[in-house]
Amino acid sequence: GQQLNQSPQSMFIQEGEDVSMNCTSSSIFNTWLWYKQDPGEGPVLLIALYKAGELTSNGRLTAQFGITRKDSFLNISASIPSDVGIYFCAGRMNRDDKIIFGKGTRLHILP
Amino acid sequence: DSGVTQTPKHLITATGQRVTLRCSPRSGDLSVYWYQQSLDQGLQFLIQYYNGEERAKGNILERFSAQQFPDLHSELNLSSLELGDSALYFCASSVGAVTYEQYFGPGTRLTVT
Repeated sequence: GQQLNQSPQSMFIQEGEDVSMNCTSSSIFNTWLWYKQDPGEGPVLLIALYKAGELTSNGRLTAQFGITRKDSFLNISASIPSDVGIYFCAGRMNRDDKIIFGKGTRLHILP
Repeated sequence: DSGVTQTPKHLITATGQRVTLRCSPRSGDLSVYWYQQSLDQGLQFLIQYYNGEERAKGNILERFSAQQFPDLHSELNLSSLELGDSALYFCASSVGAVTYEQYFGPGTRLTVT
């Protein structure tokens, strides 16, 4: 079936560092979504992208819809302790309405 | 707070049993989605209902069923439970039938012993 490859699987960074993660597929998507999940909670929508090349920010978070429509990127600037959690990408393909989720990037911040 | 509510928060039951998970969507949302999240599988889409009708089906087992009621709340029924059904079950809702932005509830953690 369709797959989203999300990388890296996990990241260990120092507070204050910038973070980059991405999501790729062999299929074309027309919507990309980025979610964050805190332990024991449901995923929270961070950013939604609808057009190839679109660059959207939400505070310190910036996400881009790749030009090829097969990938998306999420950057977090100047990380803080509350950024810890799992970040999921999700994509919606042209031919059906289902949203497919990546397996997540687990972000750890070292003290 | 996403506005999506799920009950119960935790559920512990034995193999072979049947349970019902409940979800109330955000006010104004007509679509409800159910997802299963286990440790190594990420979020797996199970089923979507829109305004009371089944709209899309994912990897939902035959032992599982769902429905959406006239007041738009939804229930996910899991029967003949197996150890492997232990997982977090999330409900999400969105405004329309076509899935763009989905808003997730806090989840129900099911433990089958």
